[in-house]
Amino acid sequence: AQSVTQLDSHVSVSEGTPVLLRCNYSSSYSPSLFWYVQHPNKGLQLLLKYTSAATLVKGINGFEAEFKKSETSFHLTKPSAHMSDAAEYFCVVSDDRQFYFGTGTSLTVIP
Amino acid sequence: DSGVTQTPKHLITATGQRVTLRCSPRSGDLSVYWYQQSLDQGLQFLIHYYNGEERAKGNILERFSAQQFPDLHSELNLSSLELGDSALYFCASSVVGGGIYEQYFGPGTRLTVT
Repeated sequence: AQSVTQLDSHVSVSEGTPVLLRCNYSSSYSPSLFWYVQHPNKGLQLLLKYTSAATLVKGINGFEAEFKKSETSFHLTKPSAHMSDAAEYFCVVSDDRQFYFGTGTSLTVIP
Repeated sequence: DSGVTQTPKHLITATGQRVTLRCSPRSGDLSVYWYQQSLDQGLQFLIHYYNGEERAKGNILERFSAQQFPDLHSELNLSSLELGDSALYFCASSVVGGGIYEQYFGPGTRLTVT
């Protein structure tokens, strides 16, 4: 069975400092992993995805994530937070029928 | 713009009523997914259709039903509505069912049950 655990429900950073949003996954085979972002009252937007190619995946808006099989992790990072990054972030693993969402991490960016 | 459209954007109705939410997937996408998002329950997967066939079921209540039509649009029917059904309902589409293919989300329908 597939599942993801987002280790922090809330993360707060100052503008211009690095962002780290943590995600651990559980998968019975080689997983496909995604990060989505949801701004208030908006739909979810794909940030990046991992599909067994390069372990370091670059996404939109300066975000990237590293797949670490030994740690079953897929943490999302950004070198320098911007005010517009304030949103809810979801880590997702998929099989051939369904997408399994984490409970989300709310990112606050302090000016 | 993801290419996924949902109508209506907002819906206000009374308890006990029935509503239909509509979703049109991106051109070429065969899979449609429905999700419910509320403050207390977070994002909940409801159901997945692939090319007209039900593919997977999540936490969908018996009062709720869905279908995908030959033109691939989908409808989610919610009946005997309760206050607790108030939520954002999202539709998403993908090329096929899961795997390496990402989902694209619509803007959602906000349902308010009074």
